[in-house]
Amino acid sequence: DAGITQSPRYKITETGRQVTLMCHQTWSHSYMFWYRQDLGHGLRLIYYSAAADITDKGEVPDGYVVSRSKTENFPLTLESATRSQTSVYFCASSESAADEAFFGQGTRLTVV
Amino acid sequence: GEDVEQSLFLSVREGDSSVINCTYTDSSSTYLYWYKQEPGAGLQLLTYIFSNMDMKQDQRLTVLLNKKDKHLSLRIADTQTGDSAIYFCAESIWNAGNMLTFGGGTRLMVKP
Repeated sequence: DAGITQSPRYKITETGRQVTLMCHQTWSHSYMFWYRQDLGHGLRLIYYSAAADITDKGEVPDGYVVSRSKTENFPLTLESATRSQTSVYFCASSESAADEAFFGQGTRLTVV
Repeated sequence: GEDVEQSLFLSVREGDSSVINCTYTDSSSTYLYWYKQEPGAGLQLLTYIFSNMDMKQDQRLTVLLNKKDKHLSLRIADTQTGDSAIYFCAESIWNAGNMLTFGGGTRLMVKP
């Protein structure tokens, strides 16, 4: 399917477990982003990538790891999940940083 | 700083105009955006304005930018129940790699 897709849509995990959220886009966009959405904070940038093998920290990177071995994929890993990482996670992509960002449907992650 | 602030909630009657306001603090912003998020979905770009413009109109949407006061507004004419959603303003800042900084979102409720 064309577009940007995230998986899973919903995930419940236990504190201390490692969990990976997947993001895949079919447009060959250079830029990809991970945001988390929390009440009262709007969307906050976790990590972004300007191209394959190039990643950089956003506003709230602690506790997260990303990789970009292929242009179309940008997985986000929580190495040891904490309850404070319970959130809705959005992946986005754009041709350049200033172009329109296209968002995935989101992944609702609950850490218990 | 890069704070972007919005009021949390707005309620209007169908057919009325809605005005959603946003203030930002960084004068280096390049573009300012309005995104719409419907329940359970990602964000969709509604419209954007370049920072050297005062106004942009796109069908029922009017964006006003007051650079002196760092104030952005989105006016929706003839508001419909389908406009009920969360609206996010965002700015991209040229000296921050044009990364988007989002406000907390305004929930618009349209009553029939």
